[in-house]
Amino acid sequence: AQSVTQPDIHITVSEGASLELRCNYSYGATPYLFWYVQSPGQGLQLLLKYFSGDTLVQGIKGFEAEFKRSQSSFNLRKPSVHWSDAAEYFCAVASTGGFKTIFGAGTRLFVKA
Amino acid sequence: DADVTQTPRNRITKTGKRIMLECSQTKGHDRMYWYRQDPGLGLRLIYYSFDVKDINKGEISDGYSVSRQAQAKFSLSLESAIPNQTALYFCATQRGVGRSTDTQYFGPGTRLTVL
Repeated sequence: AQSVTQPDIHITVSEGASLELRCNYSYGATPYLFWYVQSPGQGLQLLLKYFSGDTLVQGIKGFEAEFKRSQSSFNLRKPSVHWSDAAEYFCAVASTGGFKTIFGAGTRLFVKA
Repeated sequence: DADVTQTPRNRITKTGKRIMLECSQTKGHDRMYWYRQDPGLGLRLIYYSFDVKDINKGEISDGYSVSRQAQAKFSLSLESAIPNQTALYFCATQRGVGRSTDTQYFGPGTRLTVL
């Protein structure tokens, strides 16, 4: 069965510091992977997605993620965090031909001045 | 105007009451989904619809029902609300052409409290 684990419930980083949010997945074949962001009071917005090809994926708002098959990971990174990045981040996995997207429990990011 | 809208945005109701949450979209997407979000649990799928005549249960459909009135409208009903249905509910849409891996577009959510 597919599953997604986000090990960190919340993370606090200083503004300007780098960020890495962890995501591990369980899936038998090549997964289709997503990162969504949920700002307070808002719905989820897609940051980036990986289907195939280059394992380093660029997204919106300066985010990137790297797919590592050997580690079953799809970690999200940003070199310099801005206060407006404070939000909850969800990693998700979907299967080819399937109908469901499985979401992780989310990681809440706090940014301190 | 938002592509995916949900009404109401907030609702407080009492145990045993019937309540309907509505979702409308202007994206022209065939697929629509209802999720609930609970702290520490992420999003869990309640129901999904691939077109007007296709309705399917998700992983937590008990206590819920849905209606796909048109391509653009997908409603979620709680026939007899109970306190553990207190949650944030999201509607999402997705293109019907192509694989299920296409991006989902989310509404702003409805915060439901059942007393």
